[in-house]
Amino acid sequence: QLVLTQSPSASASLGASVKFTCTLTSGHSTYAIAWHQQQPEKGPRFLMRLNSDGSHSKGDGIPDRFSGSSSGAERYLTISSVQSEDEADYYCQTWGTGIRWEFGGGTKLTVL
Amino acid sequence: EVQLVQSGAEVKEPGESLKISCKASGYTFTTYWIGWVRQMPGKGLEWLGIIYPGDSDTSHSPSFQGQVTISVDKSVSTAYLHWSSLKASDTAMYYCARESRDGNYVDYWGQGTLVTVS
Repeated sequence: QLVLTQSPSASASLGASVKFTCTLTSGHSTYAIAWHQQQPEKGPRFLMRLNSDGSHSKGDGIPDRFSGSSSGAERYLTISSVQSEDEADYYCQTWGTGIRWEFGGGTKLTVL
Repeated sequence: EVQLVQSGAEVKEPGESLKISCKASGYTFTTYWIGWVRQMPGKGLEWLGIIYPGDSDTSHSPSFQGQVTISVDKSVSTAYLHWSSLKASDTAMYYCARESRDGNYVDYWGQGTLVTVS
């Protein structure tokens, strides 16, 4: 079964870097994912598609401080120089046989 | 500019029917899949189903099969999510979203429609 695992929470100081992890279930380590941001009281926004080799393509208008990388079954989203507006929930998403869109549980970022 | 604009918030009673909409613009509506996602209060994102406007081919999440109906009207570039008999547990925010041609992932989201059943 295809499952994405995310830590429920993270925190970072203003101006620091933060790295989120999305782990694919065993046997799915070659899968690509997408990252989405959901600011408080807003709809989600697509950030980037991230491939198993770490290559990624960002959505329209996504700042350069957002980047992605991969290692094995783990997919990462890094925000360098965190801003106050980055306080949000971050979801990873993948796709597979039988389930078109599978979402991770999300990670809530608190900016200190 | 790609935009998905959803209909406004709804308040309904259990047993009532409801159809919410998602109007697309800024791209060729018939050539991209559009899906629906549920977010219950304080919870994460759940995929309900998806439709291809070109031929109305649909696919549903096994968890939601038979609970909702997805349709489109190509003449007005609009996708719909329909309930025939609402339950209190259908109370949630519902998002439409466009699927990328580059893989089965969302590349654009609607702003959401809040459905309250009480």
